[in-house]
Amino acid sequence: TQLLEQSPQFLSIQEGENLTVYCNSSSVFSSLQWYRQEPGEGPVLLVTVVTGGEVKKLKRLTFQFGDARKDSSLHITAAQPGDTGLYLCAGEDYGQNFVFGPGTRLSVLP
Amino acid sequence: NAGVTQTPKFQVLKTGQSMTLQCAQDMNHEYMSWYRQDPGMGLRLIHYSVGAGITDQGEVPNGYNVSRSTTEDFPLRLLSAAPSQTSVYFCASRRGVASYEQYFGPGTRLTVT
Repeated sequence: TQLLEQSPQFLSIQEGENLTVYCNSSSVFSSLQWYRQEPGEGPVLLVTVVTGGEVKKLKRLTFQFGDARKDSSLHITAAQPGDTGLYLCAGEDYGQNFVFGPGTRLSVLP
Repeated sequence: NAGVTQTPKFQVLKTGQSMTLQCAQDMNHEYMSWYRQDPGMGLRLIHYSVGAGITDQGEVPNGYNVSRSTTEDFPLRLLSAAPSQTSVYFCASRRGVASYEQYFGPGTRLTVT
């Protein structure tokens, strides 16, 4: 079974700070996704990265896929309270399904 | 488009009872799946379907059955509920196996006492 680890598990920061969360595995994935989930709702897809070393930007969010396709990071610049939520990474296992990490719970305080 | 819908939103069952969680999508997606989400464990795949009439097991299929008689609907059946099945259940769909964009429903919070 392929496993994804995420760190940190919890993160509480002040509005305006920068942060990075990590997603790591010993397995290689064909693609990797990041989701944000708010309380009482389903996860919402933020980005998919498919090429080793790929960097994608979504406004203040920067996503990177590791060269070896085993890890990924999400960097948020100038965090805002609206960024609060559970951030999940999910790796595609070269089949047709995704394996999810346990998530990083982010709280951005005004 | 309603996207992916799930009913009920909340459910309490007694041990041994059976029930069906409903999931429907109106995007004509071929691929549908069921996950459960438990604290600290992320989402784990229960069953999935790559098209009408085709289903397969995921990581944690025991105690659950599925069927896919239409493209739109993918119900999840709990045969004999156990406290270990207390969880939040999410249904998801995407256009096909080769499609990355996955849409999730709002979830069903199930408690088994």
